[in-house]
Amino acid sequence: DAGVTQSPTHLIKTRGQQVTLRCSPKSGHDTVSWYQQALGQGPQFIFQYYEEEERQRGNFPDRFSGHQFPNYSSELNVNALLLGDSALYLCASSMDNEQYFGPGTRLTVT
Amino acid sequence: EDQVTQSPEALRLQEGESSSLNCSYTVSGLRGLFWYRQDPGKGPEFLFTLYSAGEEKEKERLKATLTKKESFLHITAPKPEDSATYLCAASSGSARQLTFGSGTQLTVLP
Repeated sequence: DAGVTQSPTHLIKTRGQQVTLRCSPKSGHDTVSWYQQALGQGPQFIFQYYEEEERQRGNFPDRFSGHQFPNYSSELNVNALLLGDSALYLCASSMDNEQYFGPGTRLTVT
Repeated sequence: EDQVTQSPEALRLQEGESSSLNCSYTVSGLRGLFWYRQDPGKGPEFLFTLYSAGEEKEKERLKATLTKKESFLHITAPKPEDSATYLCAASSGSARQLTFGSGTQLTVLP
């Protein structure tokens, strides 16, 4: 049973550019959440998708947007990248309360 | 606003030296208290969910307990392979996101 997968593994972008990160949930899971983790910190909630709609959103600007597809996979888009957006971006999938995380995408903004 | 605080920030143990990690939480209506293990550069790995005060769960050398204000992760006779960052997270009320602490970085020396 494949767990949560994310692509790409690593990404280097320039300030002002746009980026798209992708996530495939664990089999049987219908909910996808995205988190940002800065070095040495715990993950911070960005938003959650369920039935192709954004169900809940954390304290992140509108530059962060997402999408969920009919097969439950999801994308995270970040526009107008800032240096401070450099972080590990984590996707988590769930059916009920328990969230299972993917390996993350390491984004570096130069 | 939900808050989760973990202590200590870092802990160094000798192999076989048992200890406990602390997670204090302030949430409105706890839905679940979660423990994760995270290795460097990887996504958090799910360990336990606790739902009500007095509940305990065990897995190999780890035991998690929950009170109305705190959770403890007890590590019995740790081995070097237990070295990792241990993250605590809470979900509350109608909120579906996880609020994380900053983690405890555990190092077990041979």
